[in-house]
Amino acid sequence: AQSVSQHNHHVILSEAASLELGCNYSYGGTVNLFWYVQYPGQHLQLLLKYFSGDPLVKGIKGFEAEFIKSKFSFNLRKPSVQWSDTAEYFCAVIRFSGGYNKLIFGAGTRLAVHP
Amino acid sequence: SAVISQKPSRDICQRGTSLTIQCQVDSQVTMMFWYRQQPGQSLTLIATANQGSEATYESGFVIDKFPISRPNLTFSTLTVSNMSPEDSSIYLCSVPTPRGSNYGYTFGSGTRLTVV
Repeated sequence: AQSVSQHNHHVILSEAASLELGCNYSYGGTVNLFWYVQYPGQHLQLLLKYFSGDPLVKGIKGFEAEFIKSKFSFNLRKPSVQWSDTAEYFCAVIRFSGGYNKLIFGAGTRLAVHP
Repeated sequence: SAVISQKPSRDICQRGTSLTIQCQVDSQVTMMFWYRQQPGQSLTLIATANQGSEATYESGFVIDKFPISRPNLTFSTLTVSNMSPEDSSIYLCSVPTPRGSNYGYTFGSGTRLTVV
């Protein structure tokens, strides 16, 4: 079954630093991958997704992620973070189970950006 | 993308009581998903609600504790029954958006439940 692992639970950066959050998935054939963000007190928002095609996916707010099949990874990157990027970031994968496609989340990474 | 209205947005409940959470979608969807987000943790899928059939529960979740209704293609409820403080969480519903360039999942704003 598809599952997803996020190894960085807490990340602290200064503004303008570069960001890379790790996400690894378990093998299971075709993969559909997502990154969601949850700002403090707000609901989940989709940052970007990968289904097929160009493995470098660009999302909103300057985020991008690269699908590397050989490494089973889908890491999230941003070249220069801002204080407003302080949030929790979730990697997710679609798992086909019980006759349905289900969205399964990683444990999340809490990012704190200091001015 | 679909728009989901979820209510209540928050509630404080006494242990032993039950709370029913509602999700209304602005378009017809075959499947709706219910998640739980415990404090400081990720989202865990509780069950999949398919209109016209029994909900399918994930491991660790049972119908007696989390009964789900799905009376039509735009509405679903999740009940948290016989609550205990361990049920204090954010509960969210989610629907898949249609296939195509916009394919993904949309989430409700969540119900923050505190059991005292």
